[in-house]
Amino acid sequence: NAGVTQTPKFRILKIGQSMTLQCTQDMNHNYMYWYRQDPGMGLKLIYYSVGAGITDKGEVPNGYNVSRSTTEDFPLRLELAAPSQTSVYFCASSASRQRGGYEQYFGPGTRLTVT
Amino acid sequence: GEDVEQSLFLSVREGDSSVINCTYTDSSSTYLYWYKQEPGAGLQLLTYIFSNMDMKQDQRLTVLLNKKDKHLSLRIADTQTGDSAIYFCAEPPSGSSNTGKLIFGQGTTLQVKP
Repeated sequence: NAGVTQTPKFRILKIGQSMTLQCTQDMNHNYMYWYRQDPGMGLKLIYYSVGAGITDKGEVPNGYNVSRSTTEDFPLRLELAAPSQTSVYFCASSASRQRGGYEQYFGPGTRLTVT
Repeated sequence: GEDVEQSLFLSVREGDSSVINCTYTDSSSTYLYWYKQEPGAGLQLLTYIFSNMDMKQDQRLTVLLNKKDKHLSLRIADTQTGDSAIYFCAEPPSGSSNTGKLIFGQGTTLQVKP
C-alpha cells in the first residue's frame, strides 16, 4: 500500500492564480481531511469528508474548496491564491471505526508559496 | 472554544529523559493522542491513551494522563538523536463522533544534543 499520496510536493503560485492539490489514499478509508500547518501554530483543519459525496468545513475553510467524488480522492482547490495561503498542506485519512479511536494517516505534504 | 496547549521547544542531551507536556479542554474525550513529525514529513501516530487509564507504557514511551487537571504528558526514556522531531498532542473535539476529527496542539520541537 502506498498509503496517502499528495502531489505536487512543492509549488510557487503568483497572487490570483488557482491550483488544485491532489490527495489519494489506497486504504479504503471513509474519512479524509485537509490541514494547513504554519510555524508554531500546529495544524488547522480546512475541510473534511466522511465519505464520497459528503464534505464539510473545518476551522479555516475560506479561500478553499474541496470535492469527494470517490473514496480514494480528495482534491483541495485554491481559487485566487493570496500570500496568506503560503503554508504546508497535509492530507490525511482514517478508517471509520477501529480500536484505539481514529488513527489518522498523513501524506508527506505540499509546500506552497504564494508571491 | 476548545484548545490544546503545548510548550513550543524542549532541548535535552542524548541519554536523558524527555518530558513533553500538554493541556486539553474537553473532559469528555475518550482518546488522547501523541503524533510525531520528522523533518519534511507528515505526522505519524506515536501512541494514544484511553481516557479511563492513568498511564500507558510502550517501550521507551510513557504516557501519563491526569484527567482532573486535563494534563497529558509524554515521557521518552533514554532519548536518542533520532527522537529529534516535533511532537503533537491531539484530542477529538466535543460532538465530533463519527467524523474522526482531531484538534492538534501547536507542537513541541524536541532537540536532542549529542
